[in-house]
Amino acid sequence: EAQVTQNPRYLITVTGKKLTVTCSQNMNHEYMSWYRQDPGLGLRQIYYSMNVEVTDKGDVPEGYKVSRKEKRNFPLILESPSPNQTSLYFCASSLSGVLAMRGYTFGSGTRLTVV
Amino acid sequence: GQQLNQSPQSMFIQEGEDVSMNCTSSSIFNTWLWYKQDPGEGPVLLIALYKAGELTSNGRLTAQFGITRKDSFLNISASIPSDVGIYFCAGTNTGNQFYFGTGTSLTVIP
Repeated sequence: EAQVTQNPRYLITVTGKKLTVTCSQNMNHEYMSWYRQDPGLGLRQIYYSMNVEVTDKGDVPEGYKVSRKEKRNFPLILESPSPNQTSLYFCASSLSGVLAMRGYTFGSGTRLTVV
Repeated sequence: GQQLNQSPQSMFIQEGEDVSMNCTSSSIFNTWLWYKQDPGEGPVLLIALYKAGELTSNGRLTAQFGITRKDSFLNISASIPSDVGIYFCAGTNTGNQFYFGTGTSLTVIP
């Protein structure tokens, strides 16, 4: 089944403890992106990647890192999480950046709580 | 960043009623997308619009790309309980960066 898989689905952590949220897609998509969803703010783009080794900042990149060493994986790294990064995170992918204009495939989300 | 405002923020309607919602932007876009998010899931694409003035349907859903390219509209006819969810608009010019609206939460009362 074609899908975007995020892990974990739920995570509670403490301030300052480095964490990684994984994202993997099995559709051979070139384009991948991370979003955070907060009440009243909708989804905001954190980082995106047009292809392997090509990443760029979205609207709210501060406090996050990403890497794209292989096409299928696009992990989101929080080096020193803070409470204001408590949010619902979504990974999304598309065949290409241009074809993303026809819509993404989203993962099921990761709910992160930083205490 | 870009701010897309959706209205209304939430709607409570009776089953069978029609629904209208809209999305406005401070900037123009050349593509508008509408997504639906079910509880506990990621958004799913409903309709994509690529041309100013375009009207596109997907079953009971109809969306329009505003003439000014700064707005878009979504209508749902004859609502049913499974229409419950949060509806998001999204705009892009490049396909790289997308800007999402604040969402409209729809509750359908049987």
